[in-house]
Amino acid sequence: GQQLNQSPQSMFIQEGEDVSMNCTSSSIFNTWLWYKQEPGEGPVLLIALYKAGELTSNGRLTAQFGITRKDSFLNISASIPSDVGIYFCAGQTPSGSRLTFGEGTQLTVNP
Amino acid sequence: GAGVSQTPSNKVTEKGKYVELRCDPISGHTALYWYRQSLGQGPEFLIYFQGTGAADDSGLPNDRFFAVRPEGSVSTLKIQRTERGDSAVYLCASSLIGSTEAFFGQGTRLTVV
Repeated sequence: GQQLNQSPQSMFIQEGEDVSMNCTSSSIFNTWLWYKQEPGEGPVLLIALYKAGELTSNGRLTAQFGITRKDSFLNISASIPSDVGIYFCAGQTPSGSRLTFGEGTQLTVNP
Repeated sequence: GAGVSQTPSNKVTEKGKYVELRCDPISGHTALYWYRQSLGQGPEFLIYFQGTGAADDSGLPNDRFFAVRPEGSVSTLKIQRTERGDSAVYLCASSLIGSTEAFFGQGTRLTVV
């Protein structure tokens, strides 16, 4: 089946630093999504990407759809304490409706 | 509320019992998904509904798991003869048909003891 490798598994940073995380896939995706999940909550959609090479921003967040369609990255600039949470990438293949999720990146921001 | 609502938020059941988990999608969202999330993992797909019909149920782990959506809105995930390995957070999501932007509920944490 499809596999999504997300890295790093966890990050510990100081407030104000920029962070970057990425996902790679063994399969081609036609859509990449990035979600954030906080304890006791469901994932919340941050950014959706639909075209290879697409670069999209949402406030301090920027994500890119890799040109090979097998990877994506998410950058967070000038991190703040409320950025703490688990960030998941998710991809959708051309043939299906389901999302395949990465294993998540746990982000900790020290004030 | 305007979001996806799941009930109960927590469910503790004994091994071998039957449980039902409910999902109220966002009004007007024809597509509905169930995912299962184990501790430290990303959500894993279980089943997808377009309207009343299950368009893709290939993620259901075995025949103890079943889901329905009789009127194309509320969905119920049913688990028979629960096992300890079924313990997880069960997430429901909905979207407009043809959209990949799925919105998740807060999940039901199922614990089988």
